Amino acid sequence: NAGVTQTPKFRILKIGQSMTLQCTQDMNHNYMYWYRQDPGMGLKLIYYSVGAGITDKGEVPNGYNVSRSTTEDFPLRLELAAPSQTSVYFCASSPITWVGNTIYFGEGSWLTVV
Amino acid sequence: RKEVEQDPGPFNVPEGATVAFNCTYSNSASQSFFWYRQDCRKEPKLLMSVYSSGNEDGRFTAQLNRASQYISLLIRDSKLSDSATYLCVVGRNYGQNFVFGPGTRLSVLP
Repeated sequence: NAGVTQTPKFRILKIGQSMTLQCTQDMNHNYMYWYRQDPGMGLKLIYYSVGAGITDKGEVPNGYNVSRSTTEDFPLRLELAAPSQTSVYFCASSPITWVGNTIYFGEGSWLTVV
Repeated sequence: RKEVEQDPGPFNVPEGATVAFNCTYSNSASQSFFWYRQDCRKEPKLLMSVYSSGNEDGRFTAQLNRASQYISLLIRDSKLSDSATYLCVVGRNYGQNFVFGPGTRLSVLP
């Protein structure tokens, strides 16, 4: 039961470097999301996608880019990493929201920018 | 005002205690309601959905009051393993679909 899979689990970046966090889901969900969570804080939505080829900004999109070329994959790109991007990143997916359907999370990716 | 608000916490309770969490939401178009649990350094996981008629799962009882836009979670006979952050989540059928509250942290003490 793979569900939502994120890689890498841990990464240390130097200021100014770029990287891509990978996310894939095998549940054929239409919706996918990227959140970040700073220590002791709540989840903040970075970007989301309602289907292949469609993405939209969330609450905190600056410094990030996404693409959705397939239903399964939703990578998050960090350009010019900054210390403020040190956080844990969660990818999630959900089916079309009918009553009772819920959102499923990956295990998270811990990113440190030094 | 945030769309979903929760008791600020933290709640520190002894084992065996009953504890209640409250959540309010501002968007009357919200259609589905959930409680999620998040352990330290882990991803959020679904604890239970919340239905208008109220629902119970073992020691956990969730209630929804659509008129007051209020959701609650009651935990009876608290266990050490209940220590976690509890997230109130509201679902809607547009935009980002799910809106998360900031969470309420619970510590159950021996």
